[in-house]
Amino acid sequence: GIQVEQSPPDLILQEGANSTLRCNFSDSVNNLQWFHQNPWGQLINLFYIPSGTKQNGRLSATTVATERYSLLYISSSQTTDSGVYFCAVVYTGGFKTIFGAGTRLFVKA
Amino acid sequence: DTEVTQTPKHLVMGMTNKKSLKCEQHMGHRAMYWYKQKAKKPPELMFVYSYEKLSINESVPSRFSPECPNSSLLNLHLHALQPEDSALYLCASSQGLAGGGGSYEQYFGPGTRLTVT
Repeated sequence: GIQVEQSPPDLILQEGANSTLRCNFSDSVNNLQWFHQNPWGQLINLFYIPSGTKQNGRLSATTVATERYSLLYISSSQTTDSGVYFCAVVYTGGFKTIFGAGTRLFVKA
Repeated sequence: DTEVTQTPKHLVMGMTNKKSLKCEQHMGHRAMYWYKQKAKKPPELMFVYSYEKLSINESVPSRFSPECPNSSLLNLHLHALQPEDSALYLCASSQGLAGGGGSYEQYFGPGTRLTVT
């Protein structure tokens, strides 16, 4: 079946550190989004990035569609970055959104 | 405005109750979605509406009944639920139907945390 894999599953950082989260997908995609789920359950849109590179403040993302992966970079991490980061894809020709299992991030003060 | 609202925030119901979850967006989006999320798991798609018509039903049990009264509203009617249906229910919307040649960003509401006793 279609696979979306995220790594690492868990990550603990000291405040101020940088990190890279990865999302691999097994087929070509129309949609790829990165979300941050806060402790209250709200999914916050970070990037809509089926291909290319985008930056928003301390966060940036790159999707290499031909190689079927996306990376989320977090620089100078803050305690408020803690939570779960999900990538979600819709495969070309399909309609179903599939989420990866997520990366659980904890940033220590 | 990129807001999707959901009510109620929390819901506790017995297995014989009937209740409804509500979702609203005023972004002019024509596709709306229901997801179910169990603890420490990713969201799973339940239903998709496009232009107020049901496009996708991911083999969801009939005790969950979706309804799209108009382009801004999406309801999920609940009846005779089981304790294992306890979860966070998330609503989302997008400008068009994600996939099938369309590329549309989805926006999520804050969710309804449902407990079935």
